[in-house]
Amino acid sequence: QKEVEQDPGPLSVPEGAIVSLNCTYSNSAFQYFMWYRQYSRKGPELLMYTYSSGNKEDGRFTAQVDKSSKYISLFIRDSQPSDSATYLCAMSGSSNTGKLIFGQGTTLQVKP
Amino acid sequence: GAGVSQTPSNKVTEKGKYVELRCDPISGHTALYWYRQSLGQGPEFLIYFQGTGAADDSGLPNDRFFAVRPEGSVSTLKIQRTERGDSAVYLCASSPRGHRGAGELFFGEGSRLTVL
Repeated sequence: QKEVEQDPGPLSVPEGAIVSLNCTYSNSAFQYFMWYRQYSRKGPELLMYTYSSGNKEDGRFTAQVDKSSKYISLFIRDSQPSDSATYLCAMSGSSNTGKLIFGQGTTLQVKP
Repeated sequence: GAGVSQTPSNKVTEKGKYVELRCDPISGHTALYWYRQSLGQGPEFLIYFQGTGAADDSGLPNDRFFAVRPEGSVSTLKIQRTERGDSAVYLCASSPRGHRGAGELFFGEGSRLTVL
């Protein structure tokens, strides 16, 4: 079993829809939780960065962390075709050295 | 340049050959990371440098893989006796901080290695 599980999709939604992306994890030592977006043939870029449990909002993006359930989510409101990409969750322990454990990534397509 | 630069962007080699992949991090970033991403998978950690020294090389799969960062800036990932299973995109990332508070990692576009 992988430390971080993420449904690879693909997920296809119409423009304007609310998108929900999720990851589960098994290691209770994870303290830092991130979402990266990766366009085809590009490197990942950080979208959201949260510490411990709770919610964080940034524009159309909201990240949620539920440590008791070992479950994290990323919500995208008013999705746009430009949001079409692969979304990777990533986690690290308390030392937070940048050694990240990534999920497999979920491929999202937003249709105009 | 403004971002992390990786060369070559594509490399095709034959099984058994030696390969070097180069990473030029963002100026002033002390921490540098190498990750490997296979098709349809998330990136997997290989090695992390804080300054010139390898702070954590626990992700290197075997002794055919080696990385250096002699002056604390540019890094080279070296793969000896390449195997077909080494085919992947090798991603480099840098961060302004490393130990205890790496925060955001800035990734390059990767070097796509194909071993025939």
